This record gives sequence, C-alpha cells and structure tokens, in this order.
Amino acid sequence: AQSVTQPDIHITVSEGASLELRCNYSYGATPYLFWYVQSPGQGLQLLLKYFSGDTLVQGIKGFEAEFKRSQSSFNLRKPSVHWSDAAEYFCAVAPSGAGSYQLTFGKGTKLSVIP
Amino acid sequence: ETGVTQSPTHLIKTRGQQVTLRCSSQSGHNTVSWYQQALGQGPQFIFQYYREEENGRGNFPPRFSGLQFPNYSSELNVNALELDDSALYLCASSVDGNTIYFGEGSWLTVV
Repeated sequence: AQSVTQPDIHITVSEGASLELRCNYSYGATPYLFWYVQSPGQGLQLLLKYFSGDTLVQGIKGFEAEFKRSQSSFNLRKPSVHWSDAAEYFCAVAPSGAGSYQLTFGKGTKLSVIP
Repeated sequence: ETGVTQSPTHLIKTRGQQVTLRCSSQSGHNTVSWYQQALGQGPQFIFQYYREEENGRGNFPPRFSGLQFPNYSSELNVNALELDDSALYLCASSVDGNTIYFGEGSWLTVV
C-alpha cells in the first residue's frame, strides 16, 4: 500500500528566510505527486503537482518542488517565506493513470513564520 | 474559489444518530470523492463516485455511504455515529483528473 511520510511535524522560520518541507513516499511505481496547503479552518488548496516530465515543478505563490525518484522524495521549497505562508502543508500521492483520484496524504507539516 | 460548496459548515450530532453532508460541484465535474480529516491528521480517502457509481473506497465501514446526482451534487451519509467520527469532512471534485478541487469542508462533532 502506498504511504506518505512528512518527517517534520512543525517548522518555524523567519520571514524572508528560505523554506524546505520534506516529503517521502512509498509506492510500487512512480505515482502522481501533489502539495496542498490548508489554512486554519479551511479546505485544501493545490500548490503544485507532478505527473511526468521535468522533475522541478513550479507552483503558485512562489513554491516549487523537486521529484527525486532515487530518493522517493518530493520536497517543497520556497526561496523567501512571507508571513501569509503560515499554514499546514500536506504532501499527497495518487496512482498514476486515468481516473486516479484517490489521494493518500501525509500527516502534514505546520509552518509558523516569525516576523 | 474552487467551485465546490459544502453544507453544513458545522454541525453537532449525538452518538448513534445519522448525518448527511452535502457537496455541490462545478458543472461537468463527473468525479467526486470524500475525505475524512481528523484533528491533527491528514485527510483520509473515504470513497469516490464517477457518473453516479461508486468506483473506489478506502478503509471505511459500510455505515459510510454516498450518493452522486446528475446535477453534480453529492452526499455523504454516516449511520450509527461514533465519537471517533468527529472530523472535518472534505468533498473533492474533478473533471479530468489533473486538478482536484476541494471544498472548505463540513465540521462534524459527535457527542
């Protein structure tokens, strides 16, 4: 069965500092990969996704993620964090192929930003 | 704005009762899925409907059931509520599988 591990439960960074959130997955083949953000009391917003091709993926709000097959990782990065980035971040995987909407999520990483 | 609307936003039920949560998707979104997110956890897949038929289910008991209607709305029904059913329930819809849109969820508290 597929699984997603986000090793960091809570990360605190200063505004303007760089950010990297880690995500490792366990899956038989290369899955589809996603990063979502959730603000308190809100639903999930898609930041970026990887299906195939270029392993460096650009998303919204200045985020990017890099797929590394050899490490089964899909880490999320941002060069300069803004206070509004404080939220919970979820990495997710789904089986590749048409009609594959069943997402398996990690437990999330809560990001706090110090002014 | 994702175009996915869920109701109610918050509700409180008593153990043993039944609950129906509703979701309205954008026109043309023929696939809908439901997720349960317990406090401090990531969302967990409950089930998925495609063109009004269930075509995928996670590790949830049969007392969790659903319906999808031709007008792109759907329901999640939970019978015999247990305290552990307290969670945020998220509806997600898609038309092409490339982008999955989530609603803001329904908070269910079972007392």
